[in-house]
Amino acid sequence: DAGITQSPRHKVTETGTPVTLRCHQTENHRYMYWYRQDPGHGLRLIHYSYGVKDTDKGEVSDGYSVSRSKTEDFLLTLESATSSQTSVYFCAIRVRNTGELFFGEGSRLTVL
Amino acid sequence: KNEVEQSPQNLTAQEEEFITINCSYSVGISALHWLQQHPGGGIVSLFMLSSGKKKHGRLIATINIQEKHSSLHITASHPRDSAVYICAVRVNSGGYQKVTFGTGTKLQVIP
Repeated sequence: DAGITQSPRHKVTETGTPVTLRCHQTENHRYMYWYRQDPGHGLRLIHYSYGVKDTDKGEVSDGYSVSRSKTEDFLLTLESATSSQTSVYFCAIRVRNTGELFFGEGSRLTVL
Repeated sequence: KNEVEQSPQNLTAQEEEFITINCSYSVGISALHWLQQHPGGGIVSLFMLSSGKKKHGRLIATINIQEKHSSLHITASHPRDSAVYICAVRVNSGGYQKVTFGTGTKLQVIP
């Protein structure tokens, strides 16, 4: 599993509240990704990071921000959660040399 | 049109059947991934390939770069193979590698 943990695994919140999801890795991988998974859609990239303080937007980045202040942690923040952000969120890392992908266990977010 | 198309979307098979899941893509790629997701579970990488064929246990993945097509085969299928199988392609895009995912094939293997 490449030492990836996500927290929280489940969260229920109300519209308009801020939410932060954390992705933690223990193997010093440079590339980290946040995806959301929704029925009828493939995994869609929200934001990614290619190093400490180096981040960029993915295809569905509106309403989300990220931060990476240290190699092991990649945070995804919903500044003001909306019901359309109800989803399962997956963090992933890419092994630079091999290109393999490893995923966290997912965080299920429900916005009421 | 999605860059990655999988077929079938749903598949029900009897135990021991030989199963094939297909993935077609529309762009030049640097690699293709096959992933497995059990119900309520996380996502596990099965294969990453850029040419030819790979085998792991009862699973075989093939890719034809010219035809932009990959297949995942499961031999002697078992109920524990029931899962969603996801194809993803990696494309070099403006200096970084973009990964695009198919919507998955839901497989149910019946005893």
